[in-house]
Amino acid sequence: DVKVTQSSRYLVKRTGEKVFLECVQDMDHENMFWYRQDPGLGLRLIYFSYDVKMKEKGDIPEGYSVSREKKERFSLILESASTNQTSMYLCASSRDSSNEKLFFGSGTQLSVL
Amino acid sequence: AQSVTQLDSHVSVSEGTPVLLRCNYSSSYSPSLFWYVQHPNKGLQLLLKYTSAATLVKGINGFEAEFKKSETSFHLTKPSAHMSDAAEYFCVVSDRDDYKLSFGAGTTVTVRA
Repeated sequence: DVKVTQSSRYLVKRTGEKVFLECVQDMDHENMFWYRQDPGLGLRLIYFSYDVKMKEKGDIPEGYSVSREKKERFSLILESASTNQTSMYLCASSRDSSNEKLFFGSGTQLSVL
Repeated sequence: AQSVTQLDSHVSVSEGTPVLLRCNYSSSYSPSLFWYVQHPNKGLQLLLKYTSAATLVKGINGFEAEFKKSETSFHLTKPSAHMSDAAEYFCVVSDRDDYKLSFGAGTTVTVRA
């Protein structure tokens, strides 16, 4: 089975800090995604990547950036964390561009104080 | 652009009774439709998908969904609920031109003993 691993389950940061969320997948998938999940809003796409060093903005990219230096790793960066970025962050990967099946990590619950 | 509306934010059923989760979608093109499930403290897992073959789709754990183009619906059902079905369920639509996924807000299912 595909495994998508997010480095932290819970994180607590202060306003203005730079925050790194790491995600690694072990099945050589081409595509990787970062979503945030908020109650009543479902999942919203922040950024995605279809190849190494390639990135595209999703629906809510403001305040975030990403890095994909290696195929298996996709990092989400909060340049200057703010309280409205308190959320559950989910990483996902898929084999190809049809996205017919996404594999998700367990999520990182980020609290910005 | 595509979108999804999950008509119930919360559904409560008794163990052994049927479960119905309602989903309506809008899509400019022929859509692909999915249901994902998220158990507490877990990532999302694909339950089933519709990608243009049979309109009645069977998934894992006894769930099935029917694609009804005339009603723009993709409701999820299970004949007999089990305690392990308590989770959050997401309806997802993808336009086949760009394969971007749009998630519904989610339906939380509780199962009473």
